[in-house]
Amino acid sequence: DAGVIQSPRHEVTEMGQEVTLRCKPISGHNSLFWYRQTMMRGLELLIYFNNNVPIDDSGMPEDRFSAKMPNASFSTLKIQPSEPRDSAVYFCASSLRGPWFTIYFGEGSWLTVV
Amino acid sequence: GQQVMQIPQYQHVQEGEDFTTYCNSSTTLSNIQWYKQRPGGHPVFLIQLVKSGEVKKQKRLTFQFGEAKKNSSLHITATQTTDVGTYFCAGWGKETSGSRLTFGEGTQLTVNP
Repeated sequence: DAGVIQSPRHEVTEMGQEVTLRCKPISGHNSLFWYRQTMMRGLELLIYFNNNVPIDDSGMPEDRFSAKMPNASFSTLKIQPSEPRDSAVYFCASSLRGPWFTIYFGEGSWLTVV
Repeated sequence: GQQVMQIPQYQHVQEGEDFTTYCNSSTTLSNIQWYKQRPGGHPVFLIQLVKSGEVKKQKRLTFQFGEAKKNSSLHITATQTTDVGTYFCAGWGKETSGSRLTFGEGTQLTVNP
């Protein structure tokens, strides 16, 4: 079975540019998560969707970040405008029914903002 | 808010030695999950503990959940080079509403052959 699929795997962009990260969760999973990982802050939950509806977006750093889930098989995380401090690995993850079930992580999108 | 702390932050061992990482929560947990992340990789689920005092084993790995459900440990017997990586615990708090599964900072394990 295909796991969580993320794209792009690596992105280098200039400060001020828009960045869009994409995610396809595991088929049949109705919960989707966006995490950010940095050396300084570890793994941080940015936003959690359940049945395509955002449930908890309290981890979204600021208005420059937005996430959407237009259907059960696709989600985007957008940063506009990007800043160097946004450089991190962004993981998308999904689970069958919420965070109390096993969470399956994608391979991550490595973002560098210069 | 809920905090989950892990110690040690780093551990270097010789191959064949044992390794233990400890996870402590500031609040009582409903359950705790453990993940392993290889260098350059993504977190991979290892196990979930739910019951007070629960002990689970996976080959050389032993996981424990404290009686008070506020701490947990992962013990690896006779480490191998394939055990290299960062081990995270993640706790779901009883008092937590919504979705906040809180990850510890992780213990980075290196194994010298």
